[in-house]
Amino acid sequence: DAGITQSPRHKVTETGTPVTLRCHQTENHRYMYWYRQDPGHGLRLIHYSYGVKDTDKGEVSDGYSVSRSKTEDFLLTLESATSSQTSVYFCAISGTGGRDTQYFGPGTRLTVL
Amino acid sequence: DAKTTQPPSMDCAEGRAANLPCNHSTISGNEYVYWYRQIHSQGPQYIIHGLKNNETNEMASLIITEDRKSSTLILPHATLRDTAVYYCIVRVDSNAGGTSYGKLTFGQGTILTVHP
Repeated sequence: DAGITQSPRHKVTETGTPVTLRCHQTENHRYMYWYRQDPGHGLRLIHYSYGVKDTDKGEVSDGYSVSRSKTEDFLLTLESATSSQTSVYFCAISGTGGRDTQYFGPGTRLTVL
Repeated sequence: DAKTTQPPSMDCAEGRAANLPCNHSTISGNEYVYWYRQIHSQGPQYIIHGLKNNETNEMASLIITEDRKSSTLILPHATLRDTAVYYCIVRVDSNAGGTSYGKLTFGQGTILTVHP
């Protein structure tokens, strides 16, 4: 398995509070991605990063921000969590080329009350 | 983006081959077919991918038709641990932010249930 960890694995929070999810990789891969998975929608890309400090939006980026200050860590922040952001969040990584195979982490289950 | 069509569910007996079909009739010439699976509550697991030739690895075989409009994932000897949702995806190379990445669009997939 690719060396990807996500933390926390489970979180319950209240509407309006800030939340940060962390993705950590030990593969030295250049590309990192954040997806969310919801019933009936499959996995949808939130943001991705193509290098340290280089990020771009995916298809469902509203309400989310990301940061990548070093190769191994990619942070996803919900500035003010809403109930619609209750979901399972997956991080993925791919190699030196963005077209390389993506490998996924174990996921974080977030519940916003 | 090329759309894929998969049966919503399939059954297979343990020890037998599981053949999972996928239609991708609008695929473009340089788009790859990827297969992932997701076991309940876990992250998607990469299985195999291909462009036009058949591919085999330690997990599965991928058969792509000559016209590339459909493919079949073959698990040669299915076990109970192969019970999962299987996703067939056409990877689209997307250009944004001055770089290119492989855009994966996950559909609903096929729920494969392996029976004893």
